[in-house]
Amino acid sequence: QSVLTQPPSVSGAPGQRVTISCTGSRSNIGAGYDVHWYQQLPGTAPKLLMYANSNRPSGVPDRFSGFKSGTSASLAISGLQAEDEADYYCQSYDSSLSASAVFGGGTKLTVL
Amino acid sequence: QVQLVQSGAEVKMPGASVKVSCKASGYSFSNYAIHWVRQAPGQRLEWMGWIDAGNGNTKYSQKFQGRVTITRDTSASTAHMELSSLRSEDTGVFYCARALGGYNYHMDVWGKGTTVTVSS
Repeated sequence: QSVLTQPPSVSGAPGQRVTISCTGSRSNIGAGYDVHWYQQLPGTAPKLLMYANSNRPSGVPDRFSGFKSGTSASLAISGLQAEDEADYYCQSYDSSLSASAVFGGGTKLTVL
Repeated sequence: QVQLVQSGAEVKMPGASVKVSCKASGYSFSNYAIHWVRQAPGQRLEWMGWIDAGNGNTKYSQKFQGRVTITRDTSASTAHMELSSLRSEDTGVFYCARALGGYNYHMDVWGKGTTVTVSS
């Protein structure tokens, strides 16, 4: 099982807002490590979607936002569009694993 | 533009080793780290390890420690990941990804992935 816990799936209708949670512990998110988010469209490589908790790389729409608090983080997607249907992964680092990188289990977003 | 180009698909027998390469272009290779991530079919991303392309320092996931070796060739701006003692569960897509370092940094550029199939 993953060190970071994500819901296996979320769904929403076009135009709606959805959030994806990423729950960690005091040895990773709670230790102050940043949380990064990746979007993986079917059959493609992951793409950086959000870095350092709440920063969007150039080209990522402002419909995407990130938040971190305590031992958890979340990714919010507003104005849901069909092309947002993908798998989303959170990633951080863990001090109990000698600061190794860790990924969440991934969340499948379905646009209804 | 910044890109990572990975080597082609591989088919290996159980017990063999596989070496996947990742050639960087469009940036100063030695100023970044390269991470390796595995994704089994239909499964989540699994971090395998990283190398500081500047000084060659490495760190490996406990899960793959002892079986994985990551190296780099700065003259060719290329990183390599070798996984030994392959078993069927190693079948999957292996990605390389660039990061500013190994600790607390995001992976901002990814290769397209290399499919490795382990089968007798």
